[in-house]
Parts: sequence; C-alpha cells; structure tokens
Amino acid sequence: SQTIHQWPATLVQPVGSPLSLECTVEGTSNPNLYWYRQAAGRGLQLLFYSVGIGQISSEVPQNLSASRPQDRQFILSSKKLLLSDSGFYLCAWSVGSTGNYGYTFGSGTRLTVV
Amino acid sequence: GQNIDQPTEMTATEGAIVQINCTYQTSGFNGLFWYQQHAGEAPTFLSYNVLDGLEEKGRFSSFLSRSKGYSYLLLKELQMKDSASYLCAVRGPAGGYNKLIFGAGTRLAVHP
Repeated sequence: SQTIHQWPATLVQPVGSPLSLECTVEGTSNPNLYWYRQAAGRGLQLLFYSVGIGQISSEVPQNLSASRPQDRQFILSSKKLLLSDSGFYLCAWSVGSTGNYGYTFGSGTRLTVV
Repeated sequence: GQNIDQPTEMTATEGAIVQINCTYQTSGFNGLFWYQQHAGEAPTFLSYNVLDGLEEKGRFSSFLSRSKGYSYLLLKELQMKDSASYLCAVRGPAGGYNKLIFGAGTRLAVHP
C-alpha cells in the first residue's frame, strides 16, 4: 500500500534562518507531488507541484522553493524565513488526472517563525 | 479566475442532519472533492463528484450541479466526532496535473 511521510511534525525557526522540509512517498512510482500551506484559520494554498524528477511548477511567488531530486522525494526550502512563512505545511501525492484520484496528504509540518 | 465559497462556520446537534454548501467559479472543471480535516491534522478524503447528482457513502452524501457551480455535503446522524472542518476542492481541467483548488473550509461544531 502507498504511504506518505513528512517531517518534522513541528518546527520553530528564527526569522532569517533556512528551512528544509522533506516528504517521501512509498508504494507508488511517478506520483504527482504537491506542497500546500494552510495559514491559521485559512484554506489550503497550493505552493508547488511536480509531475516528475526535476520538474517543479510554482503557483505563487514567494520566499520558498521546491525540489524533487528523486521520484518519490519532494523538498520544500527557504534560504531566509520570514514571519509570514509561519503555517501548516502539507505534502500530498496523487496519480493520474482523471477519475477518483484525489490527494493523499502527509501528516503535516507546523512551522512557527519567531 | 478561481473562486470557491463555503460558509465559515456551522453548528448542529448530535443526531441531526447538516448540509454544507459550496459554490465555485473556476476556469475548467474536472471533478469536485470533499475532505474532512480535524484540528491540527491533515485532510482526509470524503467524497468525489464529477457528474451531476448525488453520491452516497454511508452517513455522508455529496451532490453536484455543474450548471449551477454548486455542491453540497450532507452529513446524517451527526456524531460528536464529526466536529471538524470540511473542505470543498475543485480539480482543474484534464491535463492540469490533478491540481486541486481548495475553499477556505467550513468549521462544523456538533453539540450534544
């Protein structure tokens, strides 16, 4: 069966520090991968998606970047965090673009920038 | 543009029925999803509609009208554990890499 792992679960970082969040998927190959952010009391905002190794599409301009060095690994990074980067970060995967192929989400990382 | 609207909050009584509405205006449509999200947790899949009509799955049902850009999630025999946020999400056109655009979610509080 497919599983998705995301870590760390919580993170407190000072303003200006770097960030690296990692997400890995097991039990499937060539998944579509996504990074979402959810600010407190808000909906999910799509940040990045990837349909293959090295292929990254950004949905909104921001202080973050994403990379996909391996088929089932997706990394979210920042060189210098801002206060506004605080939020709940969710990685998700899916296969296909039709049918009942929704997302399966990782357990999320709660990032607080202080 | 993309716009998905849901009520911000709803309250209901244990054992009752509640309907959560979602209206959408998106550039292309290839399915609508409902997710449940408990506080501090990741969303989990509830239902999927791509054709007009009602999809029933146990205590939960979801309805879609594509011509009206409208969907609702119906929860029957409410239980305390149904207190959560319910997210409506629309998938863009085929070939769009299965991107889901989410509404802000409806926070449902179930009272005894």
